[in-house]
Amino acid sequence: RKEVEQDPGPFNVPEGATVAFNCTYSNSASQSFFWYRQDCRKEPKLLMSVYSSGNEDGRFTAQLNRASQYISLLIRDSKLSDSATYLCVSPDSSYKLIFGSGTRLLVRP
Amino acid sequence: NAGVMQNPRHLVRRRGQEARLRCSPMKGHSHVYWYRQLPEEGLKFMVYLQKENIIDESGMPKERFSAEFPKEGPSILRIQQVVRGDSAAYFCASSPGTPPIYEQYFGPGTRLTVT
Repeated sequence: RKEVEQDPGPFNVPEGATVAFNCTYSNSASQSFFWYRQDCRKEPKLLMSVYSSGNEDGRFTAQLNRASQYISLLIRDSKLSDSATYLCVSPDSSYKLIFGSGTRLLVRP
Repeated sequence: NAGVMQNPRHLVRRRGQEARLRCSPMKGHSHVYWYRQLPEEGLKFMVYLQKENIIDESGMPKERFSAEFPKEGPSILRIQQVVRGDSAAYFCASSPGTPPIYEQYFGPGTRLTVT
């Protein structure tokens, strides 16, 4: 089993839609999690940090379910500019970021 | 406030040559991490360095790869005798403090192509 698993997608949604991605992790000791956004051929950019049960920032909501070991990212009112690959990250016990392979989102007009 | 800087952005090497990738962390950051991203794959941790110290190189291939972060100057990832399988995007990240986890911020990456 991979340490961090994500559905690769692509998720193809119309503008204005709500879309959710799930990510499962295997390290039950992980205390913090991150969602990064990666545009084609560019660096990952930190989107959200999740240190407790969840976090909300504008149209983006991240939730953590420790019992089931999954993290979700919800995007409301999708914009064309949200089209990107979303990377789920579950660090190991210290500093090593373990990345999922990413979920690709395509928002169409 | 300049972010993490990497150069070159693109590097083409023939098989057998050496590749040197440079990374300057964000101002105030003293921890540097290198990750590699193969085509269509996620990022994989390679090495974690502080000034003049390699803290964890468990993700580095055993041969041909080395990294340093000298007292002065950028961090360097060096790949000797490159092979086609080394073609990838190499990202550097930095963070301000001591683990447990601080958020890591990534540079634009160096895209290495081995011909």
